[in-house]
Amino acid sequence: GAGVSQSPSNKVTEKGKDVELRCDPISGHTALYWYRQSLGQGLEFLIYFQGNSAPDKSGLPSDRFSAERTGGSVSTLTIQRTQQEDSAVYLCASSATPGAADGNEQFFGPGTRLTVL
Amino acid sequence: EDQVTQSPEALRLQEGESSSLNCSYTVSGLRGLFWYRQDPGKGPEFLFTLYSAGEEKEKERLKATLTKKESFLHITAPKPEDSATYLCAVQGAGTASKLTFGTGTRLQVTL
Repeated sequence: GAGVSQSPSNKVTEKGKDVELRCDPISGHTALYWYRQSLGQGLEFLIYFQGNSAPDKSGLPSDRFSAERTGGSVSTLTIQRTQQEDSAVYLCASSATPGAADGNEQFFGPGTRLTVL
Repeated sequence: EDQVTQSPEALRLQEGESSSLNCSYTVSGLRGLFWYRQDPGKGPEFLFTLYSAGEEKEKERLKATLTKKESFLHITAPKPEDSATYLCAVQGAGTASKLTFGTGTRLQVTL
């Protein structure tokens, strides 16, 4: 079946502009995650959704970052007033049964490469 | 706070030359340890989940093992197509959601 999809694949924006990144999880997966991967660094957790709720937002770096999920499916990550340090690859992942002994694996999309000039 | 350290940062092997990648971790109550493969410009691809010390899993030329402090990814007789960055991540009992990743081992297999 279809995997996790993300759009756009690349986004170049000017400092101070707002951007929206989209994630379509695997059909039927209840959990959705956003991570950020900066050059030379490991993946950094941003936010976790279970259904449409976000029980863990602990990784969002500032109040310029927000995310929502609608219909238990598509999620949008919004970055307001972008800064150069926001440049990174933003990865989305989904899983079937988070925290369970089985089906806990997170499957990743191809990412959105964000460049802030 | 959960922590993951991977070594070496980079590894160059000749085709057929077996080796191991290391993942050391500290976590408060391990819920799972995950191995991923990441090719340039792509998202991580899931390989294995290990849940308890002593557990082993295999897939083709890859074998993952787990102790209470570290995990190894053994690569037997690698081929050039095994070239990629291998990522290790842990999920702690206190965080039934996020994964904490290491910075990865960049593997290059040459002919």
